[in-house]
Amino acid sequence: DAGITQSPRHKVTETGTPVTLRCHQTENHRYMYWYRQDPGHGLRLIHYSYGVKDTDKGEVSDGYSVSRSKTEDFLLTLESATSSQTSVYFCAIRLGLAGPDTGELFFGEGSRLTVL
Amino acid sequence: QQPVQSPQAVILREGEDAVINCSSSKALYSVHWYRQKHGEAPVFLMILLKGGEQKGHEKISASFNEKKQQSSLYLTASQLSYSGTYFCGTEMDSGGSNYKLTFGKGTLLTVNP
Repeated sequence: DAGITQSPRHKVTETGTPVTLRCHQTENHRYMYWYRQDPGHGLRLIHYSYGVKDTDKGEVSDGYSVSRSKTEDFLLTLESATSSQTSVYFCAIRLGLAGPDTGELFFGEGSRLTVL
Repeated sequence: QQPVQSPQAVILREGEDAVINCSSSKALYSVHWYRQKHGEAPVFLMILLKGGEQKGHEKISASFNEKKQQSSLYLTASQLSYSGTYFCGTEMDSGGSNYKLTFGKGTLLTVNP
């Protein structure tokens, strides 16, 4: 099974403070994603990465930045957190599509962020 | 661009069938289906690719109409364990996959005894 860990799992912070969420994978999957999930909006793509130092924006990238300096780590940073960024954040890795592999996204357990 | 799912919610009795639909205004390379239980991460069910290939759980049935850019997930003889929120995710066709997976808002499925 693909190994993926998100940290922290829960965080409460105040408006205006910087926040970094970490996604760590134990396998060398090329593609990694950050989504946020809010009631009534489903899963919305923030940023994704297709390799070390290769990232691209998703639907809701304003207010977020990402970095990927190593294959195994994909960091999501909120430079100055706002209450509208209160959400559950999911990291995902993309499995291969060749042979029996399905090309699926495998999700981490999520990080619940509350911005007061 | 976010795909559109319908219905938004459906309530079934155990043993009944349901169909969940997903549509896009753009040409698609693939459609994914996921199920999410409350408080948990989404879990992969199936992928349907342009050209007809499908991969996923054997007990799950789905279709992909490439001409209409529509996909449907078929849940037959529903069980209590089928309850959850179902998401479709789509990848645009850019001569292949662009690996940018965009999800719909979800369909809440409730199966009652």
